[in-house]
Amino acid sequence: DTAVSQTPKYLVTQMGNDKSIKCEQNLGHDTMYWYKQDSKKFLKIMFSYNNKELIINETVPNRFSPKSPDKAHLNLHINSLELGDSAVYFCASSQVGPEQFFGPGTRLTVL
Amino acid sequence: AQKITQTQPGMFVQEKEAVTLDCTYDTSDPSYGLFWYKQPSSGEMIFLIYQGSYDQQNATEGRYSLNFQKARKSANLVISASQLGDSAMYFCAMRGSGAGSYQLTFGKGTKLSVIP
Repeated sequence: DTAVSQTPKYLVTQMGNDKSIKCEQNLGHDTMYWYKQDSKKFLKIMFSYNNKELIINETVPNRFSPKSPDKAHLNLHINSLELGDSAVYFCASSQVGPEQFFGPGTRLTVL
Repeated sequence: AQKITQTQPGMFVQEKEAVTLDCTYDTSDPSYGLFWYKQPSSGEMIFLIYQGSYDQQNATEGRYSLNFQKARKSANLVISASQLGDSAMYFCAMRGSGAGSYQLTFGKGTKLSVIP
C-alpha cells in the first residue's frame, strides 16, 4: 500500500489555467505538507496543515490555495498558472516521530 | 529561523569506497531533528537517517551513519562501501520543535556520483 500518494504525476498546462493536485496519506498522520522543488532542485515548504487547520503559509502567492477536506487529504489548487510555477510539488505527512513521508511528486509544466 | 548549508554541489566516489557528505546547520531551537534524504534520478524522496538533537549516540542505518557534532553544528552523512545505486542527490534537512512546526528546512543538496 502506498503511504502518501499524489495525482497526477505529471501535469502540463497553459499559462492562465487553473489546476489541482491531490494528495492522500493512509498513515493516520495529523500533519500534512506541500513542498515545492524548483529547477535547481531546491526544496522549500509551502504549507503545513495540522488536523485540517493551516499552520504554516510560507509567503506563497494567494493563487495557491490548499484545501484539507479531512486529515488524510491535502489538495493544492493553483489559479492563473504562471511560467514560474513550473516545478515539482511534493506532498508529505508526519506525526510527532522522526520520519516525514513524501509522496512521489507531481511535475508541473506551465507552457 | 533555521538554515541548512551543504557546501558540496557535487561529489565523486569510487565504488566500494566510503564518502562523507557535509552538512552544517543553524537554529535557535533548543530541540531539533536532523534528516538526510536521497533523491535518485527517478525523483522520489527517500528517507535515509534521522538524528535528534538530544540523542547521545550518532545514528546509523545500515551503510549510512550520521556524524553529529553538536558544538560544531554539523551533521555529516557517511556512506560506507558505496554502490552504483547510491548515485543520487542527497539532501540534509532540519525540523524544529515547536507545536505543529514539523516542516523541514532543506539544504541545496549534494549530487553524488559513484564511479565503477
